[in-house]
Amino acid sequence: GENVGLHLPTLSVQEGDNSIINCAYSNSASDYFIWYKQESGKGPQFIIDIRSNMDKRQGQRVTVLLNKTVKHLSLQIAATQPGDSAVYFCAENIRGGYSTLTFGKGTMLLVSP
Amino acid sequence: DTEVTQTPKHLVMGMTNKKSLKCEQHMGHRAMYWYKQKAKKPPELMFVYSYEKLSINESVPSRFSPECPNSSLLNLHLHALQPEDSALYLCASSLTGTPDTEAFFGQGTRLTVV
Repeated sequence: GENVGLHLPTLSVQEGDNSIINCAYSNSASDYFIWYKQESGKGPQFIIDIRSNMDKRQGQRVTVLLNKTVKHLSLQIAATQPGDSAVYFCAENIRGGYSTLTFGKGTMLLVSP
Repeated sequence: DTEVTQTPKHLVMGMTNKKSLKCEQHMGHRAMYWYKQKAKKPPELMFVYSYEKLSINESVPSRFSPECPNSSLLNLHLHALQPEDSALYLCASSLTGTPDTEAFFGQGTRLTVV
């Protein structure tokens, strides 16, 4: 109905905790995945990407895990900080053709000091 | 310079107005995109330009008209919009239009149609 999706899934953590944000994707033909962070009033900001020939990729304080068998993606943030509070979207791109990023529903991360 | 710049940041327009949203990047990217984002929802693709040619139109109503005057600029012309078109309009660019390149987003234009 119209109210579906009006309330984002929310993850609340304490500063210093590790956070795990999950995403399920639907298209088996997707072979490039990106995690974006979107702060209030701003555009999405690239965090980390992963290609389908990998199952793990690490950045600074972030790790992305890809499980193609169950079409699942996760973002792990180590030592979460208040500045990490934002909405996090996973996005997938399908092999071939032009880039047509399809975004997941998003998860709001709230970090308490 | 790793910025995608969008103007204006906010726009209020009546249903009979004509206005334009502008987007600019100087990263040498050859693919540019328009996305629409409603509150608490993910961005949804509207248009893809690759090498200044419209490559993808995701069945967007004709009251939205994109234009790519050169490789650095992307416009979105608006005419006869409806209140339900109120949203955050995001521009993005990537080095090429292939699916395995990172897209950089602008801060968006918050559009309100009254």
